[in-house]
Amino acid sequence: DQQVKQNSPSLSVQEGRISILNCDYTNSMFDYFLWYKKYPAEGPTFLISISSIKDKNEDGRFTVFLNKSAKHLSLHIVPSQPGDSAVYFCVIRGTDKLIFGTGTRLQVFP
Amino acid sequence: AAGVIQSPRHLIKEKRETATLKCYPIPRHDTVYWYQQGPGQDPQFLISFYEKMQSDKGSIPDRFSAQQFSDYHSELNMSSLELGDSALYFCASSLRQGPLEAFFGQGTRLTVV
Repeated sequence: DQQVKQNSPSLSVQEGRISILNCDYTNSMFDYFLWYKKYPAEGPTFLISISSIKDKNEDGRFTVFLNKSAKHLSLHIVPSQPGDSAVYFCVIRGTDKLIFGTGTRLQVFP
Repeated sequence: AAGVIQSPRHLIKEKRETATLKCYPIPRHDTVYWYQQGPGQDPQFLISFYEKMQSDKGSIPDRFSAQQFSDYHSELNMSSLELGDSALYFCASSLRQGPLEAFFGQGTRLTVV
């Protein structure tokens, strides 16, 4: 049973435009959310996080929005750069494990 | 800043052999997680440790075992290796209390031939 879903397996965006990656979760008790970026054959790299007491967190080009009532979060990257091309995972911090979403492959083209 | 260190980075083993993967967490992190990512798959949770005690268990085969030592490093022991065990194995570390971000190592690529 997939507790964290990223419904878009892939996304293609032009350089300089905004990339929006979406994530839905099932359990309203979850309260800490993280986004990771992953290149092939490397470990996931932490990008940004948000706790359930907030609805927005911003760090440079990355902003995460949380809509608790909809059990939905999104990652905005603006402006998108070719180096952002990677797989992005929405991850929920459980008590003793990290619950991964299904991933979205982002491709930023010139 | 110190990151999560995994060793070895690459490992080739034959079927039915044994492999040991090591993970050195970020200093002062008290929680370690292990994940397996097969080709074309999402990372799958194997097991976690908090303060040297197993804290949660995922889809870890009985042929695998793991532990966390007094210096907080962790080892994943894999016996009777099968071709299907070929994957990228990641560990991550975090604090149970305080900043809740978890940081991953670069992974160990295990190839079973």
